[in-house]
Amino acid sequence: QVQLVQSGAEVKKPGASVKVSCKASGYTFTSYGISWVRQAPGQGLEWMGWISAYNGNTNYAQKLQGRVTMTTDTSTSTAYMELRSLRSDDTAVYYCAREAPLYGDAIDYWGQGTLVTVSS
Amino acid sequence: EIVLTQSPATLSLSPGERATLSCRASQSVSSYLAWYQQKPGQAPRLLIYDASNRATGIPARFSGSGSGTDFTLTISSLEPEDFAVYYCQQRSNWPPRGTFGQGTKLEIK
Repeated sequence: QVQLVQSGAEVKKPGASVKVSCKASGYTFTSYGISWVRQAPGQGLEWMGWISAYNGNTNYAQKLQGRVTMTTDTSTSTAYMELRSLRSDDTAVYYCAREAPLYGDAIDYWGQGTLVTVSS
Repeated sequence: EIVLTQSPATLSLSPGERATLSCRASQSVSSYLAWYQQKPGQAPRLLIYDASNRATGIPARFSGSGSGTDFTLTISSLEPEDFAVYYCQQRSNWPPRGTFGQGTKLEIK
């Protein structure tokens, strides 16, 4: 069965960086894109960006350009999202999610979420 | 960037009633629109893709319609488990972007 297993919760200070991992299993990793989505406490969903697991192409949300980097390691079927220069408003649950060509590239599977807390 | 505006922000209905949720795009997204349901403490679940197609396992009481800039999610007869937050998402092919609406909370009246 398809699974996306993310790394554990993180607490960071303002100005620091965080790198969240997302290990995929149960499907051919390079056949699907991965989106990263975050959700601040009590707030809605925010799309952060996309990476092709096939060739590593990326596209990031404009507001995060320059602070976010998404990568993949096809040898371990793992996707990574690094966010730099953290601020308090980056406190959120971060999700990796698989995009399904069968569903018009909508998201059909989600990781369990990683809580990143930014606090001094 | 394309902005998605959902209305209403909160919808209060009773089980058995019909729910109509709206999502409006700031520019045309063709039919590249999806709907998700999210319950507290859970990841979202895909309901509808390409504006009007139900994802696998989604009950027939959920339906989507629209194209261009105006989209609707309809739940024909509300079940107790349908009370949740609903999000629309546009998915442009290139460059790949996946903006979400701000959500509609469907609550029990």
